[in-house]
Amino acid sequence: DIQMTQSPSTLSASVGDRVTITCRASQSISSWLAWYQQKPGKAPKLLIYKASSLESGVPSRFSGSGSGTEFTLTISSLQPDDFATYYCQQYISYPHTFGQGTKLEIK
Amino acid sequence: QVHLQESGPGLVKPSETLSLTCTVSGGSISDYYWTWIRQPPGKGLEWIGYIYNSGSTTYNPSVKSRVTMSVDTSKNQFSLKLNSVTAADTAVYFCTRGSYCSRTSCYLRAMDVWGQGTKVTVSS
Repeated sequence: DIQMTQSPSTLSASVGDRVTITCRASQSISSWLAWYQQKPGKAPKLLIYKASSLESGVPSRFSGSGSGTEFTLTISSLQPDDFATYYCQQYISYPHTFGQGTKLEIK
Repeated sequence: QVHLQESGPGLVKPSETLSLTCTVSGGSISDYYWTWIRQPPGKGLEWIGYIYNSGSTTYNPSVKSRVTMSVDTSKNQFSLKLNSVTAADTAVYFCTRGSYCSRTSCYLRAMDVWGQGTKVTVSS
C-alpha cells in the first residue's frame, strides 16, 4: 500500500492567515492526489483533485500543488468556515489511501 | 444533481454481518465506480473498496476476506456486506462516487459525491 503522511497533524491559525498543509506519498503517485475538507458530523467534501485542480464551487482561496511524492494544500486567507479537518488521498493505486488528517484550529 | 443515501442497521452484533445499501438518485448508477469509505470514531478515513456497474470490484486487503459488494442497476443501488464483524468495524460508513468510464475509456476521478454517512456500531 502507498502510505500518505500529512503534516502537521494539528495547525492553529487565525482568520486571515495563509496556511499550508503538506502531504507526502511513500512512492510516486504522479498528480493523482485529492484534498478533502471534513467538518464534525459531516461527510468529507472534495476541494482539489489531480493535485491542483479546484473542484467546482470551491472558493479560489484554496489551492493545491505538487507532483510525485510531495504535495501541498494552501489556504490563502483563512475564513471562519475553513476551520475543519483536511485529508489528502491518493487514487492511483489500490487501496486508495488517505493521510491521517490535519485539524485546522482557531488560534 | 446526484445524491447518495446510505441505509442499513445501526447496530450489529459481533460475528454477524454488516449490510448497507447506497441509493443513487438524480443520476444513473451506470458509468461510474462506486466506493465505500469508513471512519471509526475519532479517527481517519479508510477506503474499503469499489464496485462498477458490471459487477467488477476491488477491495482493501485489510477487509478483503470479509467483504462483498454488489450492484443493482434496476434499483440504482449498490451494497456492502461485511461479515464476522468485531468492535473494530464500528464506524461511520460513507458511500461515494469515483472514477468514470465511457464506452471506450475509463477516467480516474476523485470522490466528488458523498452520502451523508451512516453510523454502525458493533456490540452485543
